Amino acid sequence: KAGVTQTPRYLIKTRGQQVTLSCSPISGHRSVSWYQQTPGQGLQFLFEYFSETQRNKGNFPGRFSGRQFSNSRSEMNVSTLELGDSALYLCASSRRQGYNEQFFGPGTRLTVL
Amino acid sequence: QQQVKQSPQSLIVQKGGISIINCAYENTAFDYFPWYQQFPGKGPALLIAIRPDVSEKKEGRFTISFNKSAKQFSLHIMDSQPGDSATYFCAASVENTDKLIFGTGTRLQVFP
Repeated sequence: KAGVTQTPRYLIKTRGQQVTLSCSPISGHRSVSWYQQTPGQGLQFLFEYFSETQRNKGNFPGRFSGRQFSNSRSEMNVSTLELGDSALYLCASSRRQGYNEQFFGPGTRLTVL
Repeated sequence: QQQVKQSPQSLIVQKGGISIINCAYENTAFDYFPWYQQFPGKGPALLIAIRPDVSEKKEGRFTISFNKSAKQFSLHIMDSQPGDSATYFCAASVENTDKLIFGTGTRLQVFP
């Protein structure tokens, strides 16, 4: 069974640009969550999607947004990039909301110059 | 109240020894406590998890001990191997949500 896939794996952007990251969950998994990982702040929850609806949102500015499609695939978007947005963005999937057992993808390494 | 506090920040263990990582929480609504292992350049991998109705769970060389009254849980790695060298994160979540609150991580180094 294929794991969680994330594209692209690496991305370099400049301040002020916007970026879209993609996540394909494990087949049969319907819940997708996103996390930001930085050396300073660690792993922080961004949002959680189930049945194309955002069920939970972390403490991030409105520049961070996401969506989920009917096939459970998810995208997250960051607009007006700042240097501090440089991070590893991780996607995790689980069978359904609240199932708890989550599996992470390899992440997208975003560098903002 | 949403924090999960993890210690130590780093740990050096000799091959064959026992590695112990501790976590503490405040929010009594947490009902799921997983541990993740992360190698450089990889995403976190689910190692083992426990719910508060159980005091201990063992899977191979990995054991979670859970103390509900003290609001603490720990990961024990028996017979530690160099291949176990990685960063370990504890986490917690509330029922009916996939939102994980992570500890700050423990970098484990196992020397031969």
